[in-house]
Amino acid sequence: EAGVTQFPSHSVIEKGQTVTLRCDPISGHDNLYWYRRVMGKEIKFLLHFVKESKQDESGMPNNRFLAERTGGTYSTLKVQPAELEDSGVYFCASNLIGTPGPGNEQFFGPGTRLTVL
Amino acid sequence: LAKTTQPISMDSYEGQEVNITCSHNNIATNDYITWYQQFPSQGPRFIIQGYKTKVTNEVASLFIPADRKSSTLSLPRVSLSDTAVYYCLVGLYNQGGKLIFGQGTELSVKP
Repeated sequence: EAGVTQFPSHSVIEKGQTVTLRCDPISGHDNLYWYRRVMGKEIKFLLHFVKESKQDESGMPNNRFLAERTGGTYSTLKVQPAELEDSGVYFCASNLIGTPGPGNEQFFGPGTRLTVL
Repeated sequence: LAKTTQPISMDSYEGQEVNITCSHNNIATNDYITWYQQFPSQGPRFIIQGYKTKVTNEVASLFIPADRKSSTLSLPRVSLSDTAVYYCLVGLYNQGGKLIFGQGTELSVKP
């Protein structure tokens, strides 16, 4: 079974440009999460989808970030316009069960490394 | 939200058993303890989860004392490929499922 995939693996853009990151979760996983690690910092939660609905977007840094999950399958995270501080690694994860207890481990993708120049 | 404290780094040699202890003094009654592993240039990977006493799987063991204020991840007979960052996470589920990562423990296994 395919794991979580992310595209692109790397992206280098100029400040002010727009970038769209894509995440394909494991088939059948209703829960999809976005995280990011900014250089030298800890991995931080951005938002959580349950199917196509945003369950928790408390970690989204500002309105330059827009996440969508139309149809409840893959998700996109768009940054517009990108700023220097947006550079980092963006991870996507998915799981079947989003509630407490065994079986709710999250499966992570390899990440997208975003560099804003 | 339970805060976790774990060593920033640890060194070990191939074949040794490695124990990484995590402190979580204000763990809540409903909190599970979960460990993730992250290799360079990869996303974190679930290792093990427990609530109390001892849990063992094919990768590691997790020891949780009765007061649950700490936990120890035990990796038997480590190899070079176990070099990674190990994260202890507690108190996930009051937060709706999202993971709250700390700085983790960077384990370096030497030949």
